[in-house]
Amino acid sequence: GDSVTQMEGPVTLSEEAFLTINCTYTATGYPSLFWYVQYPGEGLQLLLKATKADDKGSNKGFEATYRKETTSFHLEKGSVQVSDSAVYFCALSTIDTGNQFYFGTGTSLTVIP
Amino acid sequence: DVKVTQSSRYLVKRTGEKVFLECVQDMDHENMFWYRQDPGLGLRLIYFSYDVKMKEKGDIPEGYSVSREKKERFSLILESASTNQTSMYLCASSITAPGLAGWDEQFFGPGTRLTVL
Repeated sequence: GDSVTQMEGPVTLSEEAFLTINCTYTATGYPSLFWYVQYPGEGLQLLLKATKADDKGSNKGFEATYRKETTSFHLEKGSVQVSDSAVYFCALSTIDTGNQFYFGTGTSLTVIP
Repeated sequence: DVKVTQSSRYLVKRTGEKVFLECVQDMDHENMFWYRQDPGLGLRLIYFSYDVKMKEKGDIPEGYSVSREKKERFSLILESASTNQTSMYLCASSITAPGLAGWDEQFFGPGTRLTVL
């Protein structure tokens, strides 16, 4: 079945460090890919998405590129801030699953000053 | 802005009680979802609904039921709460784009943290 595997956390970085959170997927169809962010005490918010191969999603300095050949959608940011501390979820959705999403287990990021 | 609201942020109930969690969205979305979120397990789908009075089981429906009498409202019911249902419950909604199904963003509510004693 469809699934998402993302990097285990927690991740702790110093402010201005480079961030990568790995995400790989398995899908029988042709998925759309998403990164969601959950700030402490809140629900999930869409961070970025990509709907076809080689698309790059970007938002708030975060980027992820849909790589069909490696079935990956890694999240990157060049310089993290304390305010980026949150839990990040990779997710996929395919036409074969209707509008169901499959989420990764989440990666907790803490950025220290 | 799409808004998804949940009736309570925190709830404490006793074992065996019947529990209702309410979710309302204000953007006329067809699809609504209930997830539970547990550490190390991510989000797991409990039930979802594509239309009024329509429901489908997700991955972990046991011990839960749902009701969708109006398009904007989707209720999750714990018929007899148990301690293993202590969790964070998240509601979400989305539209369906004909011919493009599978790419629609889900909008989430703030969550209800339920503790069953």
